[in-house]
Amino acid sequence: QVLLQESGPVLVKPSQTLSLTCSVSDVSVSSASVSFYWIWVRQPAGKGLECIGRYSIYGESNDNPSLRGRATISMGRSKNQVSLELHSMTAADTAIYYCGRINSRPTVGGADPSYRGVDVWGQGTTVIVSS
Amino acid sequence: VMTQSPLSLPVTLGEPASISCRSSLSLLHRNGFDYMDWYLRKPGQSPQLLIYKGTFRASGVPDRFSGSGSDTEFTLRIDRVEAEDVGVYYCMQVLPGFPFIFGQGTRLEIK
Repeated sequence: QVLLQESGPVLVKPSQTLSLTCSVSDVSVSSASVSFYWIWVRQPAGKGLECIGRYSIYGESNDNPSLRGRATISMGRSKNQVSLELHSMTAADTAIYYCGRINSRPTVGGADPSYRGVDVWGQGTTVIVSS
Repeated sequence: VMTQSPLSLPVTLGEPASISCRSSLSLLHRNGFDYMDWYLRKPGQSPQLLIYKGTFRASGVPDRFSGSGSDTEFTLRIDRVEAEDVGVYYCMQVLPGFPFIFGQGTRLEIK
């Protein structure tokens, strides 16, 4: 059973960049990414779940127009990590951040009929934006 | 846009419950599958997958949960609500080529 673990700072100052890492147990993200792709989701306090974006071997997709291009998702420094950077942080970015594995083969310009949902989630990490 | 209703759902233990989700675009792909999932976030836990592609129950999900619908209208049904079903239910559109978007969430509580 693959496990995901988010890590990063709990406290970030306004205008700074948040850097979070999702560590994937027992598998290389690059090799697994031919069969899966990865998603970052957050839940601001008192609000619902929001998709931030996805990462596959074909690159990243930004899912939240309200972030206005502030998010960057990429392969992490280690071969079993996926990273999220969120620039120009404000208090509105205070949230629990989750990474997830999308059980689907990445495709270009098509849809994977074997898609099976976001079937593995990390436990989440709380990020507070405050000076 | 994904619109869920109701936003709050008080249910008596053992009774059925239904949550609706309406999409502003068709989620029916030309391959015949609807790209819409259902997730549950229990208090203090990470989200968990219940239903994928509209009607497919995820591994380990009790069979009292079922998904139905197609195109723009979807329903999650719980046949007999148990105490462990309390939490917030979300639909999410996962149509390739479009941003993944959650509905607003439906909070299920026990009366």
